This record gives sequence, C-alpha cells and structure tokens, in this order.
Amino acid sequence: DAGVIQSPRHEVTEMGQEVTLRCKPISGHDYLFWYRQTMMRGLELLIYFNNNVPIDDSGMPEDRFSAKMPNASFSTLKIQPSEPRDSAVYFCASSLKNPPRRLGDTEAFFGQGTRLTVV
Amino acid sequence: GENVEQHPSTLSVQEGDSAVIKCTYSDSASNYFPWYKQELGKGPQLIIDIRSNVGEKKDQRIAVTLNKTAKHFSLHITETQPEDSAVYFCAASMNSGYSTLTFGKGTMLLVSP
Repeated sequence: DAGVIQSPRHEVTEMGQEVTLRCKPISGHDYLFWYRQTMMRGLELLIYFNNNVPIDDSGMPEDRFSAKMPNASFSTLKIQPSEPRDSAVYFCASSLKNPPRRLGDTEAFFGQGTRLTVV
Repeated sequence: GENVEQHPSTLSVQEGDSAVIKCTYSDSASNYFPWYKQELGKGPQLIIDIRSNVGEKKDQRIAVTLNKTAKHFSLHITETQPEDSAVYFCAASMNSGYSTLTFGKGTMLLVSP
C-alpha cells in the first residue's frame, strides 16, 4: 500500500477563497482523522470518521470548516471562506481499530500533509 | 479530556550523546502511549509505543519508560546520530473501545555531528 495520500502538497490561496484538501486513507482502514498542525498549537484533531461516518467534529474550529467522507477511500476537508489564520499544515491519518497483530492498538498512519497558506 | 504536556520543546545534543524527552498526561484511564517522529516536510511516523501493562520497552537505540503512578512517560535515544534530528511527539489514548490520540506539543531534537 502507498500509505495515506494527500493532495495537494502545497496550496496558496487568497483570503475569502474556498479551499479543498483531499485524502485517500490506507485501504482497509476504518478510521480517518484530520489534524491541523501549527507552531503555536501543535497537532490538533479537527474531526474523525469511523466507517465513513463523522464521529467527533468538536475540533473543527468554525462553521467555515467542513469535512466529508463519501466512501471508504476518499475524504475532503473544505474551508470556505478561507482566512490567513487558517494557514497551517493539515494532516490526514487513518487507522485500523483491531489490527490482526495487536488487538486494540490505535496506531495512526499519517499522510505527508498539505501546507496551506492563505494570503 | 486528556491533556499531554511534553518537555523540552527543543533539545540539542552532540552525536553519540543520549537524548531524553519527557511527557506527562492527565487522564489516569489512558493506557496506550505512542511516540511519533516527524521529519521535515513529512507526516508523523510511529517509532515506538508502550502500553500500561509494561514499564519499559526497547527497540535498538530507542526505549520508552512509563510510570503510571506519576502519569509520566519518557523517550530515550542512545548513541544519537544526525539522522535522529526531527520533531518527536508523544501521545496518549485509552485502549478500551476506541479513543483518539492526544498529542504533546512536540520536541525538536537537533543532533550535531
């Protein structure tokens, strides 16, 4: 498996524009997470899905942020409208609740991230 | 909810020295403690983890220790090499059912040749 795949790797957009970040989790994983990383706040969990269903979106900062997972192999994080303070690296991660080798582990596999700059 | 504190925020060592990063957690129900390494331009990658039923775990040059009574755990890297330079994150979660990982703020380790 190629791992978690995110696109684009870099995104520069103007304030007020809509931004869509994309993620393809590892095949067979049943959990998908969106994280935001900044110097000030570190890694923050924004939302996570189980079997394509959003479970906890309490980390989503504002209504401008939304996430979807239409199927097991694809998820999007959308920011509309974007603001300069949204500039950060956004990571997608996936995990398997009960991997055969170690029952109950919550190891999360991260993508390479999308560096978002809003000017 | 869980709160994970990590220290130091930056750590500089000479090649061959040991490096220690420490974390504390707040929720006594947490029982799974992974450590992630993040290299420049990449996502975090799991390097070692420990569960609450053991006090120490080693994997070559890295080791983790856990003190459940004091609610702290540490990462030890011996014989550091320049390629160990990265940001290291500790995290905590509960293993029963499913809970998400709460991460520390990270430690930037710089190993000088």
